[in-house]
Amino acid sequence: EVQLQQSGPELVKPGASVKISCKTSGYTFTEYTIHWVKQSHGKSLEWIGGIIPYNGGTTYNQKFKGKATLTVDKSSSTAYMVLRSLTSEDSAVYYCATLTGYYALDYWGQGTSVTVSS
Amino acid sequence: ENVLTQSPAIMSASPGEKVTMTCRASSSVSSSYLHWYQQKSGASPKLWIYRTSNLASGVPARFSGSGSGTSYSLTISSVEAEDAATYYCQQYSGYPFTFGSGTQLEIK
Repeated sequence: EVQLQQSGPELVKPGASVKISCKTSGYTFTEYTIHWVKQSHGKSLEWIGGIIPYNGGTTYNQKFKGKATLTVDKSSSTAYMVLRSLTSEDSAVYYCATLTGYYALDYWGQGTSVTVSS
Repeated sequence: ENVLTQSPAIMSASPGEKVTMTCRASSSVSSSYLHWYQQKSGASPKLWIYRTSNLASGVPARFSGSGSGTSYSLTISSVEAEDAATYYCQQYSGYPFTFGSGTQLEIK
C-alpha cells in the first residue's frame, strides 16, 4: 500500500524557515515524481513544484521560486520541502503527492499545517 | 498559466437528485490531462476522476465525467449524503499545472 507520511504541524516566526518531510512507503521511491501543493485556509489548491527522486531534478511554479526548495533523500525514501523567509501569507496546509504518467496526483500525504506567527 | 474556473462555487442538493458541476479552462486542455479531486473537510484531496472520465479506484458508479477542449463537467446521477465535499478540477497543459477554485456540494 502506497503511503506518504508527512511531518507534524509547525509554528514558526516571521522571517524564519521551515523544513517539511514526506516519508514514502509501499512503492519504489524513484518510480514516481513527488509534488507539493499549498492550501491556504478555506481556499483552493496551488501547485508549488515537483521533484524527480531518481536524479533530484526539480520544476517549480514561478510563484514559489525563491520561496520553496525541494530535495529528496533516496536512502530513506523521503522528500523534503524548505520554505524560507516566511510571512503570514505562507500560513497554510502543505501536501506532498505522487504524480501519475498523465499528470494527476494520485497518492497524497495527510498534510502539514504551517502557521507563521510571532 | 491556464486558469480553471469552476461553477457553481456552492451547490445544494437533496439525496437522489442529479447534479452537474463545470470546469472551464482559459486555454484548451487535452482530455488526457484533466482530472477531478474530492476533498472532505479536514482531509487530504483524493483523486476522484482522471483523464476526464475515468473513475479512480473505489469511486461509486453514480459519478461520471465528460468534456473536451475548454469545458469539462462532473455529474452525480443520484446524490447521496456521503458525496458532501468540495470538488476541484486540475489540468496540465505544460507547467504550472493548475487547480480550479472548487465547487462545494452540500446535501440538504
